[in-house]
Amino acid sequence: AQKVTQAQTEISVVEKEDVTLDCVYETRDTTYYLFWYKQPPSGELVFLIRRNSFDEQNEISGRYSWNFQKSTSSFNFTITASQVVDSAVYFCALSPEETSGSRLTFGEGTQLTVNP
Amino acid sequence: GAVVSQHPSRVICKSGTSVKIECRSLDFQATTMFWYRQFPKQSLMLMATSNEGSKATYEQGVEKDKFLINHASLTLSTLTVTSAHPEDSSFYICSARVRLNTEAFFGQGTRLTVV
Repeated sequence: AQKVTQAQTEISVVEKEDVTLDCVYETRDTTYYLFWYKQPPSGELVFLIRRNSFDEQNEISGRYSWNFQKSTSSFNFTITASQVVDSAVYFCALSPEETSGSRLTFGEGTQLTVNP
Repeated sequence: GAVVSQHPSRVICKSGTSVKIECRSLDFQATTMFWYRQFPKQSLMLMATSNEGSKATYEQGVEKDKFLINHASLTLSTLTVTSAHPEDSSFYICSARVRLNTEAFFGQGTRLTVV
């Protein structure tokens, strides 16, 4: 069975602060995919990143960065210099490799509020 | 990325009626589509996997007679909520995959309200 835990239900920061969203996962698969999605109030899921389990390199994309630690089964997401437009629910998700990230197990989500 | 379109985006229906939600892959052929449900302030839960031309595979606890899924073509899957009740009110979102070993792309979601 697979499980994704996002312990932070809600986070509130002031604009320009850095914020890290935690994600811990459980799986018996030796290879798998990890994802982060953003869900604004409109509801659609905005894809942010997909990471294969054998690639432990951290990644940076603009103000976003991801820290993948296989030893601790964590895939944390950091937003640097947060902006009001970053306010949304963020989901971490896990998928077995054989489905390549199409059959997802989602975490409970973290509601991020960035205040001006 | 590929485009997946869901229709309608919002629907309100009376209790006891049926509602059909469409999920279309606009610029690719989707051999497999997935249907998720999200209750307010909760996570997304996979309901079923539909493969073109075959019966859908439902997750444990999902009533297949209530949530009818049809994937008759490579670009269209439909989810019909039969005899809807207020507890079926939720956000339904689909995703589509081109083939094995490719990621899936999500539609915009459908907010169903049963009154």
